[in-house]
Amino acid sequence: AQSVTQPDIHITVSEGASLELRCNYSYGATPYLFWYVQSPGQGLQLLLKYFSGDTLVQGIKGFEAEFKRSQSSFNLRKPSVHWSDAAEYFCAVGGGYKLSFGAGTTVTVRA
Amino acid sequence: GAGVSQSPSNKVTEKGKDVELRCDPISGHTALYWYRQSLGQGLEFLIYFQGNSAPDKSGLPSDRFSAERTGGSVSTLTIQRTQQEDSAVYLCASSLVGGRPGSYNEQFFGPGTRLTVL
Repeated sequence: AQSVTQPDIHITVSEGASLELRCNYSYGATPYLFWYVQSPGQGLQLLLKYFSGDTLVQGIKGFEAEFKRSQSSFNLRKPSVHWSDAAEYFCAVGGGYKLSFGAGTTVTVRA
Repeated sequence: GAGVSQSPSNKVTEKGKDVELRCDPISGHTALYWYRQSLGQGLEFLIYFQGNSAPDKSGLPSDRFSAERTGGSVSTLTIQRTQQEDSAVYLCASSLVGGRPGSYNEQFFGPGTRLTVL
């Protein structure tokens, strides 16, 4: 069975500070891993994805994530957050058409 | 081009009533998905349509839930005899084709329908 755990429900970060969101997964084979962002009233937008190859992947909006097989983790990072990064972030794992999502991490950005 | 659209954006209904939620996928996308997002939880897979193949209904929580996809395009999710626990945001997504094990096709999500059952 596939599953995702996002340990942090809510994170508050100052504008300009760095951000790291944690994601741990369980998957029976080589995982396909994703990070999505959901702004209020919006659908989910794909930030980045990992299928294979380089374990450090770059995404949109200055985000990156690192796949660590030994830790079953796929943590999302951004060196310097902007107020517009305030949103809910979801990690997902899957293959084929079925995705399993974590419960999400809400990011609040303070001035 | 236009993204995935859903209607209505908000729906308030009384317990026991039936509701229909609509999804218009991106033109040309053959795969369509429904998810449910309950408060404080991640997205829960409900159902998957791929072309003319039989849908994967394995995520539907009860027989009160059904979905159809007419003409390979628009989809309707129907919830009969709604219960308060059905209150959630229902998200629709589409992809160019459906993924197969060992592959993936990016799913594009609509803004969702927020359903409130009183």
